[in-house]
Amino acid sequence: DAKTTQPTSMDCAEGRAANLPCNHSTISGNEYVYWYRQIHSQGPQYIIHGLKNNETNEMASLIITEDRKSSTLILPHATLRDTAVYYCIVRVHGSGNTGKLIFGQGTTLQVKP
Amino acid sequence: GAGVSQSPSNKVTEKGKDVELRCDPISGHTALYWYRQSLGQGLEFLIYFQGNSAPDKSGLPSDRFSAERTGGSVSTLTIQRTQQEDSAVYLCASSLFEGIEAFFGQGTRLTVV
Repeated sequence: DAKTTQPTSMDCAEGRAANLPCNHSTISGNEYVYWYRQIHSQGPQYIIHGLKNNETNEMASLIITEDRKSSTLILPHATLRDTAVYYCIVRVHGSGNTGKLIFGQGTTLQVKP
Repeated sequence: GAGVSQSPSNKVTEKGKDVELRCDPISGHTALYWYRQSLGQGLEFLIYFQGNSAPDKSGLPSDRFSAERTGGSVSTLTIQRTQQEDSAVYLCASSLFEGIEAFFGQGTRLTVV
């Protein structure tokens, strides 16, 4: 799987948008971008994924650059409960692939009052 | 069940003893993954099951570690002759099939004393 790089930590004011960047410059054409988060002492939680189009769900938006070498996860109105480690992962879909997630160190997002 | 269930939630064992950790995946999920997370570290992939077979065991750290899955459902991770470096949170995840979003349990915190 392609390697991703993320900032180690970020702060965000409560109620403001949190924009978490991720670089994946060696991503292959059949690799998707996934985001998970891990709140302290809990298992990781799926947030969103995409291939090349921007995606939005009830939790977040995912913006993928046209060359697919980077992406940004956007939490539109961050709350204190969004404080967590956010992982950006690229993985291949389809039969014959295990779909295992390779976690890096992630970005620790601290939402402050 | 409603989510991935792991038991026990906490386990303290003496060095040299064997331990078994259990994972009940979401009903109908064919793919099952085991990860571990040492204190302050990222998630480390251990093993992947598709049904009852394990096509990817590449993350098992030594031959003291083994896992099985029966009936395409419950999985057990066994650690023989535990060592202090085995202390970690062991996380299980399942997905409907390989390659799509995985749902994680809350983990088993293993402490070897």
